[in-house]
Amino acid sequence: DAKTTQPTSMDCAEGRAANLPCNHSTISGNEYVYWYRQIHSQGPQYIIHGLKNNETNEMASLIITEDRKSSTLILPHATLRDTAVYYCIVTSYKLSFGAGTTVTVRA
Amino acid sequence: EPEVTQTPSHQVTQMGQEVILRCVPISNHLYFYWYRQILGQKVEFLVSFYNNEISEKSEIFDDQFSVERPDGSNFTLKIRSTKLEDSAMYFCASSAWQGIAKNIQYFGAGTRLSVL
Repeated sequence: DAKTTQPTSMDCAEGRAANLPCNHSTISGNEYVYWYRQIHSQGPQYIIHGLKNNETNEMASLIITEDRKSSTLILPHATLRDTAVYYCIVTSYKLSFGAGTTVTVRA
Repeated sequence: EPEVTQTPSHQVTQMGQEVILRCVPISNHLYFYWYRQILGQKVEFLVSFYNNEISEKSEIFDDQFSVERPDGSNFTLKIRSTKLEDSAMYFCASSAWQGIAKNIQYFGAGTRLSVL
């Protein structure tokens, strides 16, 4: 699976959009970009995934660049409950978790 | 909403003892996984299981570990002789596997294993 690079941490104001970047320059053609999050040592929670088109669901939006070498997860209106570690994973099958981005939403 | 259920939530055991961690995957899922997370470290893949066979395992999953689907609903992880370094949070996950386009894994809340 391709390696991903994410910032270690970021802060976000409650009610504002949170934009989480991820670099995956070695992604191959059959690999998808998945985003999961982990709230305080709970089990990881699926957020969204995509191949090359932008995706949106009830939790978030995923923007993938045309060359697929990077992506951005957007939480449109962050709440305190969105405070978590966010993982960007590039995979065709197995999930390989990195250190992720620790996102702290502040009131 | 269907969920993956893990029991117990916390297991304390003595070094050298056998432990069995239990999971009930989502009912129509066919692919099952175990991961572990040592305190303060990354979530690590242990093993995947499909059609009553291990489909992939990591280097961590040595002869001390085994998995089983003893009936139609449970999926278990057994550690034969626990070591102090086995202390971790163990997560079970399941997926419906609709091809690589949609392999969403759903995780349980985890079992915290403490080896004394």
